Order: sequence, then structure tokens, then C-alpha cells
Amino acid sequence: GQSLEQPSEVTAVEGAIVQINCTYQTSGFYGLSWYQQHDGGAPTFLSYNALDGLEETGRFSSFLSRSDSYGYLLLQELQMKDSASYFCAVGNQAGTALIFGKGTTLSVSS
Amino acid sequence: DTAVSQTPKYLVTQMGNDKSIKCEQNLGHDTMYWYKQDSKKFLKIMFSYNNKELIINETVPNRFSPKSPDKAHLNLHINSLELGDSAVYFCASSQDRGFRGYTFGSGTRLTVV
Repeated sequence: GQSLEQPSEVTAVEGAIVQINCTYQTSGFYGLSWYQQHDGGAPTFLSYNALDGLEETGRFSSFLSRSDSYGYLLLQELQMKDSASYFCAVGNQAGTALIFGKGTTLSVSS
Repeated sequence: DTAVSQTPKYLVTQMGNDKSIKCEQNLGHDTMYWYKQDSKKFLKIMFSYNNKELIINETVPNRFSPKSPDKAHLNLHINSLELGDSAVYFCASSQDRGFRGYTFGSGTRLTVV
């Protein structure tokens, strides 16, 4: 089956850089996605990596290594508004839905 | 214009009642989902519909029944509510398999008392 591991909590200060790692086990790989969820809000899509390497979108970047079954989300120039939960996700075995990790709570302090 | 809208946003009900949650998307997506998020924020897939056809029915009690009258709507009906059903239920939609991004509704916080 599918499983994902990511740290439960990460703390950082404003302006810093933080990396949230995700390792996965899956019987069929359809890419690695990242979602952000603020308290009381809905998950929102951040990025998707189907191929190895780094994808950059503004202050956020996402990396994938398929040979290591590993990826990370890199957040630069942290702001207070980046305090949220971050979820990595992979497709299920049939590729018909996303399976989410348990989420990493990021706390940014001033 | 809200892309994926769910109603109601909050639902407080007694054990044993039957309730429904409605979801509509105006993105023209062909796949819709129901996810359950528990108190530990774990997001678990419940159902998936593609063009009104049930694709996924995870190990969910048969008290939960999804209904898709058309590809823009996916409703969730829950019979004989139990305390353990208390959670936030999210509807989502995507184009095709959606690995390039799901759009989630704002969620329905269900509290069973």
C-alpha cells in the first residue's frame, strides 16, 4: 500500500529558510504533491513533481528524488503567514485519488 | 465566484440522526472527492466520482452514501450518525486524475453530540 512520512512539527523564525521532508512508499508512482492548510481553512495546492529535480514557485520550491522515494518542500524568506500545516501526497495504487501524509505543522515566530 | 462550495459549513446534530452535506463545483472538473479530516488533521479519502460514476469507495461504513446527480455535484448522506463521525468533511474536485492539483471546498465541520 501507500505510506508517507513527514515530520510532525517544524519551527522557524521570520526570514529563515525551512525544509519539510517527505519519504513515501507506493506501489505505483504518479508524482509527489504538496498542499498547505491554515487552521480552519481548506487544503490548497502548492506544487507537484512528477520528475526528479527542483521546481520553483516564488518563495516555495519542491524537490523530488524518485530513486530515493523522497521529496521536500523548501520555504524561503519565511513570513508569519506561512504558519500552517503542510501535507505531502501521492496517488493511490490505482492512481485514482491522493493519499496524504499526516502533515507537518510549521510555526513561524518573529 | 466560489470554485468548490460546500453546505453547510457547520453541522451539529444528535447521535442517530441522518444528515446530508452538499457540494458543487463550477470549474468544469470531471472528478470529485470526499475526504474526512479527523482531529489530528489526518486527511482520508472516502469516495471519488468521475463523471457521475463511483470510482473509489474506501473502507467507509455503509451508513455513508455519496450521490452524484451530475458531474458538478457530489453530495454525502450519512445515516444513523455516531460520535466517531465528528470530523471535518472536505469535498474536492480535479480535472482527470488531478495530480496537478485538487481544489478543495471550505469544509463542513460535523459535530455529533
